[in-house]
Amino acid sequence: GAVVSQHPSRVICKSGTSVKIECRSLDFQATTMFWYRQFPKKSLMLMATSNEGSKATYEQGVEKDKFLINHASLTLSTLTVTSAHPEDSSFYICSARDRQGSVYEQYFGPGTRLTVT
Amino acid sequence: AQSVAQPEDQVNVAEGNPLTVKCTYSVSGNPYLFWYVQYPNRGLQFLLKYITGDNLVKGSYGFEAEFNKSQTSFHLKKPSALVSDSALYFCAVRFSGGYNKLIFGAGTRLAVHP
Repeated sequence: GAVVSQHPSRVICKSGTSVKIECRSLDFQATTMFWYRQFPKKSLMLMATSNEGSKATYEQGVEKDKFLINHASLTLSTLTVTSAHPEDSSFYICSARDRQGSVYEQYFGPGTRLTVT
Repeated sequence: AQSVAQPEDQVNVAEGNPLTVKCTYSVSGNPYLFWYVQYPNRGLQFLLKYITGDNLVKGSYGFEAEFNKSQTSFHLKKPSALVSDSALYFCAVRFSGGYNKLIFGAGTRLAVHP
């Protein structure tokens, strides 16, 4: 089946530093990937949609200069949290749509827990 | 505007009993509906979807869901709950704009007791 990986699974960083999270589709090509943020005991909030080779589309209220998204290939998208602050601590989940699969299905990564101290 | 409501924060059920996790939706146009399950510190796993066709949709791990257009509901059901079904369940609707974005409900925590 379609597998999406995320790296790292956990990261702790100091306030003011930047951290990069990778999302990879392991056995399929993903023209579209999505980045979500999940607060404790809360639902997933879509942050942005990234398409290979083009700029990401950010949801309202998400700072594009703070959450940099790059989708440089059909199997890799990265989310960089710049100048991280404690309020950025969260669980970040990516998902990917199979280029040759159903347009209705997304495959989710296992998530990355970011803690900013 | 598209939205999804999961009215119950938590559902408790005894092992072996039937379970229902409720979901109602509001969409413009035809609804494309999904259920996902999330285990602690993990991503989401797909359970089932309704796109068109039979109102009763069967999915993974013995789960099923019934699409009810008149009640705008898509409740998740299982005839006999297992302790291992304990997890967080999300209902989602496909956003009718571009890129097939999903809008998620708030989630319902299912606790199955031995």
